[in-house]
Amino acid sequence: QVQLVQSGSELKKPGASVKISCKASGYTFDVYSLNWVRQAPGQGLEWMGWINTKTGNPTYAPGFTGRFVFSLDTSVTTTYLQINSLESDDTAVYYCARGGMVWDDYWGQGTLVTVSA
Amino acid sequence: EIVLTQSPGILSLSPGERATLSCRASQSFRSDYLAWYQQKPGQAPRLLMYGASRAPGIPDRFRGTGSGTDFTLTISRLEPEDFAVYYCQQYSSSPKTFGQGTKVEIK
Repeated sequence: QVQLVQSGSELKKPGASVKISCKASGYTFDVYSLNWVRQAPGQGLEWMGWINTKTGNPTYAPGFTGRFVFSLDTSVTTTYLQINSLESDDTAVYYCARGGMVWDDYWGQGTLVTVSA
Repeated sequence: EIVLTQSPGILSLSPGERATLSCRASQSFRSDYLAWYQQKPGQAPRLLMYGASRAPGIPDRFRGTGSGTDFTLTISRLEPEDFAVYYCQQYSSSPKTFGQGTKVEIK
């Protein structure tokens, strides 16, 4: 069965970096692109962008350029989200979801990133 | 960027009642490019509908309709497990965008 399993919660200080992983299984990895979605506490869903799992080419939504980096390791069918220069507003649950520029049919369980001094 | 506006923000209904959720877009697009998700507290969103199609395992009391700029998710008879937050999402153009959500709560 299709599964997206994300890494665990992170507590970071402002200015630090964090790298979250999303391991895919149960399907052919490079057939489907992967999205990243942010959900701040008590708020709605924000699409951050997607990564083409065949080419490794990332696409970032406006507002998620510069400090946010999507990457891949196809050998372990895993995509990564790195956030640099963390700010308190980056405190959120981050989800990976299978789909690219179509609907998102499978979602990871989410990773809570807390940024606090 | 296509902005999606959902209404109402909160829908208070009883089990067995019909729920009608609206999603209005700032630009017109084909209904094939609209999805609906359900999210329960502490859980990841779950895909309900993409275009007019229900995702696998989604019961037929869920129905998605609409075109152009006005889209609707209808839940014909609310079951206890349907009380949740619902989001629409367009993937007609980049960036993909979500509506702000409609909470369906027990009256």
